[in-house]
Amino acid sequence: NAGVMQNPRHLVRRRGQEARLRCSPMKGHSHVYWYRQLPEEGLKFMVYLQKENIIDESGMPKERFSAEFPKEGPSILRIQQVVRGDSAAYFCASSPSKGPFATQYFGPGTRLLVL
Amino acid sequence: EDKVVQSPLSLVVHEGDTVTLNCSYEVTNFRSLLWYKQEKKAPTFLFMLTSSGIEKKSGRLSSILDKKELFSILNITATQTGDSAIYLCAVEAKADKLIFGTGTRLQVFP
Repeated sequence: NAGVMQNPRHLVRRRGQEARLRCSPMKGHSHVYWYRQLPEEGLKFMVYLQKENIIDESGMPKERFSAEFPKEGPSILRIQQVVRGDSAAYFCASSPSKGPFATQYFGPGTRLLVL
Repeated sequence: EDKVVQSPLSLVVHEGDTVTLNCSYEVTNFRSLLWYKQEKKAPTFLFMLTSSGIEKKSGRLSSILDKKELFSILNITATQTGDSAIYLCAVEAKADKLIFGTGTRLQVFP
């Protein structure tokens, strides 16, 4: 059973470009979470999605950031008009269900560098 | 505001030493506390704790939760160089999101 997959693993963008980060959850998992890890900081929650629904986006900046988890295909985190402060590692996690005992399993992360 | 605090921030030990990592939290609607190990890639799951006073063990690692005093500890006995990593504590609060501490960076030297 493959783990959570993220691609690309490394992404370099110039200021003003768009960044698209993909996350394929573990087989059988329908809950996806995105986290951001800034240099020297802990992981910070961004958004929680189920298939075709955004459940909680309280940690996601209101502008330039969006996320989706379509019925078919991976979850996408999209950052428009990237700025240097967006440089970070973006981790996706998935879980098989909702609730207090559903462990989240993490992907390898996408390291975004904005020049 | 929900908060998770880990200490120490950094720890340097020699192989064979025993270490204790601390995690305290203040969150509304506590559900569970999780420990992860992060090397140069994704955090890998270690333990999930939901009940006070019940120790969870996996090899040389063990962890326990105190819901009255709002903290957890992660113990590693007979440390090895392969234990070198950042250990993350996270608390699951409402809405199924994890709130992470900044981590404890453990370095084990031979």
